[in-house]
Amino acid sequence: EAQVTQNPRYLITVTGKKLTVTCSQNMNHEYMSWYRQDPGLGLRQIYYSMNVEVTDKGDVPEGYKVSRKEKRNFPLILESPSPNQTSLYFCASSLSGQLYGYTFGSGTRLTVV
Amino acid sequence: AQKITQTQPGMFVQEKEAVTLDCTYDTSDPSYGLFWYKQPSSGEMIFLIYQGSYDQQNATEGRYSLNFQKARKSANLVISASQLGDSAMYFCAMREGPNTGKLIFGQGTTLQVKP
Repeated sequence: EAQVTQNPRYLITVTGKKLTVTCSQNMNHEYMSWYRQDPGLGLRQIYYSMNVEVTDKGDVPEGYKVSRKEKRNFPLILESPSPNQTSLYFCASSLSGQLYGYTFGSGTRLTVV
Repeated sequence: AQKITQTQPGMFVQEKEAVTLDCTYDTSDPSYGLFWYKQPSSGEMIFLIYQGSYDQQNATEGRYSLNFQKARKSANLVISASQLGDSAMYFCAMREGPNTGKLIFGQGTTLQVKP
């Protein structure tokens, strides 16, 4: 089944404790991206990647890191999480070009206390 | 700069009636794609329909159609014969082409279908 898989689904952590949310896609998509969703703000793009070793900032990159060492994987790293990073996070992937939207993972609900 | 605006935070519709969810966009790129996604209470993001900036006809997918008015920069979603399962949050999104990973979203509209 074609899908984007992200883990974990739920995560509660403490301020300052480094964490990684994993993301993997099996559709051979060139593009991958991370979004965060907050009430009243819609989905905001954190980072995206056009291919292996090529990434670019989205609208809200502060406090996040990403890497794309393999085409199928695109982990999101929070080096020192803070409470304002409590949010619902989505990983997504797509083919190249404006004809294509992103296919989304199931989401990770992160709480930083 | 590109921007998507959804001005209806919440909408109600009676079951079996049609409903229109508004979306306006702003871009200087002549080449772009417009998308609608559905997010039910379970949280997943479900792709509904796509419209390309060069498409001559409005897109349709089953009970979903997109009322694309390019000169007005609007891309409204029309849901015909609403069902209880259509109750969800709906997001409009835009991707400029051809080589960008940026897909930007509006704030969303919550639709509730009344029996």
